[in-house]
Amino acid sequence: QITLKESGPTLVKPTQTLTLTCTFSGFSISTVGVAVGWIRQPPGKALEWLALIYWDNDKRYRPSLDSRLTITKDTSKNQVVLTMANMDPVDTATYYCALDSDSIFAYWGQGTLVTVSS
Amino acid sequence: EIVLTQSPDFQSVTPKERITITCRASQGIATSLHWFQQKPGQSPKLLIKDASQSFSGVPSRFSGSGSGTDFTLTIDSLEAEDAATYYCHQSHALPRTFGQGTKVEIK
Repeated sequence: QITLKESGPTLVKPTQTLTLTCTFSGFSISTVGVAVGWIRQPPGKALEWLALIYWDNDKRYRPSLDSRLTITKDTSKNQVVLTMANMDPVDTATYYCALDSDSIFAYWGQGTLVTVSS
Repeated sequence: EIVLTQSPDFQSVTPKERITITCRASQGIATSLHWFQQKPGQSPKLLIKDASQSFSGVPSRFSGSGSGTDFTLTIDSLEAEDAATYYCHQSHALPRTFGQGTKVEIK
């Protein structure tokens, strides 16, 4: 059974750095073709892809957020971590991690709502 | 960036009705188009992958078609539990993009 779960702060202040952890089970990020991605969704709005990290440690970011995002993986802990610097109120959203297998977001975590406010 | 445009934005339908949602890509994406269903307060669930392949466990009333720039999600004999927002998503090129969503309401 494949599961993913996001964890991190629910409230961050403007200019702070957000750190989110995706803890997963039921698959290995060392398997060829596997990746874990992060997607966010502002309240009442559409989905927006943020970043991907592949089994071979290749990393890809949304171009408009490239300078603010960092994605890493810890294979031994079955975790992927996303950091986003210089948070702003417009970054308020539910953040999801998802298993990307053969370029398909097949399984998603439950999401975690992050509010940016002073 | 590949822009995905869905239509309609909103649809109100009665149970057992058949509905069609379209997704148009701003450039050709072969069949790298996937459909998700998102119910309020829940994470998106994969329905259709690679334009027309049903994902495991998805009811057979959901089907997809298309290639290139034009794609369709069809729900036959709509049920009350199908009330949700539906999103298309392309994995043909980075950055990965999603459509704006189509909200389906059951009358």
